[in-house]
Amino acid sequence: DAGVTQSPTHLIKTRGQQVTLRCSPKSGHDTVSWYQQALGQGPQFIFQYYEEEERQRGNFPDRFSGHQFPNYSSELNVNALLLGDSALYLCASSGYNQPQHFGDGTRLSIL
Amino acid sequence: KQEVTQIPAALSVPEGENLVLNCSFTDSAIYNLQWFRQDPGKGLTSLLLIQSSQREQTSGRLNASLDKSSGRSTLYIAASQPGDSATYLCAVRNRDDKIIFGKGTRLHILP
Repeated sequence: DAGVTQSPTHLIKTRGQQVTLRCSPKSGHDTVSWYQQALGQGPQFIFQYYEEEERQRGNFPDRFSGHQFPNYSSELNVNALLLGDSALYLCASSGYNQPQHFGDGTRLSIL
Repeated sequence: KQEVTQIPAALSVPEGENLVLNCSFTDSAIYNLQWFRQDPGKGLTSLLLIQSSQREQTSGRLNASLDKSSGRSTLYIAASQPGDSATYLCAVRNRDDKIIFGKGTRLHILP
């Protein structure tokens, strides 16, 4: 049984570009959450998707957007990349009243 | 606004010792609290989940306690081993379903 899978594992972009990160949840999970983790910090909640809709959102600008597909997989899109967007982006999936399971993340570097 | 604090930020102990990691939170109206382990460059591995109605959870050499009224949780690791070296993160799930992480404690077990 595959856990949460994220792609790509590493990505290098330049300022102003756009990026799309992908996440496949653990089998049986229907809720996907995205987090940004800067070096030496704890993960910061970006948003959560359930039934293909954004259910919760953290304190992130509109440059950060997402999508959830009917198979529960999800994408995180970031437009107009800034140097400060360099971080590890983590995806977590969960089911009702279940703990979150995390993927290994996508390491995004902005040059 | 919920804030989660973890003390100490870093800890080094000799192999075989028992140790305690601390986590405090400012808003006691939580749904649950979860302890995670994160190895360098990797995602998060869930260790223990404590529901708001519970006082403690145990898994092997790990024991986590929760005192909701005082806004505190501890993670006790017995008979520490070099393989326990990692960053340990505490996260609370609020009643509004948002999850807030602490910055973590970097643990180093000395062989």
